Amino acid sequence: QKEVEQNSGPLSVPEGAIASLNCTYSDRVSQSFFWYRQYSGKSPELIMSIYSNGDKEDGRFTAQLNKASQYVSLLIRDSQPSDSATYLCAVSIIQGAQKLVFGQGTRLTINP
Amino acid sequence: DAGVTQSPTHLIKTRGQQVTLRCSPKSGHDTVSWYQQALGQGPQFIFQYYEEEERQRGNFPDRFSGHQFPNYSSELNVNALLLGDSALYLCASSLGSDRYNQPQHFGDGTRLSIL
Repeated sequence: QKEVEQNSGPLSVPEGAIASLNCTYSDRVSQSFFWYRQYSGKSPELIMSIYSNGDKEDGRFTAQLNKASQYVSLLIRDSQPSDSATYLCAVSIIQGAQKLVFGQGTRLTINP
Repeated sequence: DAGVTQSPTHLIKTRGQQVTLRCSPKSGHDTVSWYQQALGQGPQFIFQYYEEEERQRGNFPDRFSGHQFPNYSSELNVNALLLGDSALYLCASSLGSDRYNQPQHFGDGTRLSIL
């Protein structure tokens, strides 16, 4: 089992709709979870961090965390063509030092 | 407020050569982590430097080594390059090596191509 798994995609969503991205992780002691957005040919950009169970909202983005189910998700409301990118789920694992373990990413396309 | 800066942006090498990549962390950050991202994959953790020491290492061979300087900048060295080392190399900086709630911020990366 991979440490962090994301739905493989690609995911295609019409403009203005809600995009839902999912991620599961295997390490029960993980405490920090991050979503990064990566445009083609660019580096990952941090868009959300979440540390506690429940929802965290920032503008059009909502991150949801359920530690009991080892599940984290990202919702993008009112999707825009500029949201088209690969979204990476990252889980923080601390073994003396913090390292991020990434999923393989989900490619999202917003169709005008 | 300067973000994470990496150099060079692109590099072409041949098999067997050695390469050095450089990273300056975001202002106020003291920890540097290096990742390798192959095409179509998520970044893979190489190692992390804090207080000029390697604090943790991922599943990479000893051909991959690094260094952190007193000003917190860092270098990644790769010896005896293989075709499989072709990838985007990402540097990420953060505050504190083991603080779970400190996000890592990435530089633009160095794209390394091995011929």
